Amino acid sequence: GEDVEQSLFLSVREGDSSVINCTYTDSSSTYLYWYKQEPGAGLQLLTYIFSNMDMKQDQRLTVLLNKKDKHLSLRIADTQTGDSAIYFCAEKWDSGTYKYIFGTGTRLKVLA
Amino acid sequence: NAGVTQTPKFQVLKTGQSMTLQCAQDMNHNSMYWYRQDPGMGLRLIYYSASEGTTDKGEVPNGYNVSRLNKREFSLRLESAAPSQTSVYFCASSEDRVSGYTFGSGTRLTVV
Repeated sequence: GEDVEQSLFLSVREGDSSVINCTYTDSSSTYLYWYKQEPGAGLQLLTYIFSNMDMKQDQRLTVLLNKKDKHLSLRIADTQTGDSAIYFCAEKWDSGTYKYIFGTGTRLKVLA
Repeated sequence: NAGVTQTPKFQVLKTGQSMTLQCAQDMNHNSMYWYRQDPGMGLRLIYYSASEGTTDKGEVPNGYNVSRLNKREFSLRLESAAPSQTSVYFCASSEDRVSGYTFGSGTRLTVV
């Protein structure tokens, strides 16, 4: 099936770590992505991970992939008020297709 | 760097009216896409163009047509607008099948 699920809301205090979770159902997904959407703007690609990787780190962002459980997470270290946004995960099937499936997004609110 | 430019940013239409949403990218990307974003439903693919001269249907193509005018431009046309087409429309482009999208800032369309 084609379904990417995310929790709707997450609230954290400034300086804490945020963990945004995503589950996907299609085991043939080969690329998984995280996007950030600020109010009134389009989505901005943050990072992506290939399905043959377990972890990817990029400055304050850490992506963890558990292929057995079809679970993807995005950890933001030292969360700042500027990180408040909606975060979308997306999966892509094999490299022969242009089809991406997006989750419904997690709204992150950072409290000062 | 303009990236992906969409016009207009806002539009109100009456039921039955037609309009064309414009999209242009200056990154020399091969592929371009049109998505709609509705509350609680994430992003859904309307149409895409894998390369200049080709277009294909996505998940929700009914009521829409597209034109890939050249490598830079990909337009979305609503021939007879319906209230169900009230949404935020995003254009995106990508260099290849795997490296993710660059999104425009969106067009907020209301059909009354």
